[in-house]
Amino acid sequence: AQRVTQPEKLLSVFKGAPVELKCNYSYSGSPELFWYVQYSRQRLQLLLRHISRESIKGFTADLNKGETSFHLKKPFAQEEDSAMYYCALSGTGRRALTFGSGTRLQVQP
Amino acid sequence: GAGVSQSPRYKVAKRGQDVALRCDPISGHVSLFWYQQALGQGPEFLTYFQNEAQLDKSGLPSDRFFAERPEGSVSTLKIQRTQQEDSAVYLCASSLKQGASLGYTFGSGTRLTVV
Repeated sequence: AQRVTQPEKLLSVFKGAPVELKCNYSYSGSPELFWYVQYSRQRLQLLLRHISRESIKGFTADLNKGETSFHLKKPFAQEEDSAMYYCALSGTGRRALTFGSGTRLQVQP
Repeated sequence: GAGVSQSPRYKVAKRGQDVALRCDPISGHVSLFWYQQALGQGPEFLTYFQNEAQLDKSGLPSDRFFAERPEGSVSTLKIQRTQQEDSAVYLCASSLKQGASLGYTFGSGTRLTVV
């Protein structure tokens, strides 16, 4: 079985502070990991994928297989980063995504 | 269209009523997924289509839930004899290729409230 855990329901930081949104997963094979974001009154959209090792809007995430984690990080938070963030996993041979319960990031001025 | 379109945006159903939710994916997208998102939770997988073939329906919670995509484009999720626990946002997503590697494009969802 595959499972994604996001331990924090809410993370509140001040503008300019570093941000780390935690994501842990359980899966016996080699997973693909994703971060999706939902801004207020907008659709859920892909933020980044571990396989592309990209930085989007200043966010990065590194897959740590030893710790089974895929934490999302940004060195300096901006107010426009305030949104709901979901970590998701896709297992080998399975096309569907398994999502975590989400973390609301609140960046205060 | 430019994105994934879902209708209706909101649906209120009396308990026991049947409902049909529509998804119009991006033209040419092979894969189509339905997810259920309860309040305060992440989306949970319901079913997956590759073109017109329903390849995975392991997430459908009961036999009251039925989905189809007869011509490989528009899909309909039908819920029979709705119950209060069916209240949720139903999300549709499509993808150009098989699998999740390229990411999905999500619709805005249909918020179903069963009273």
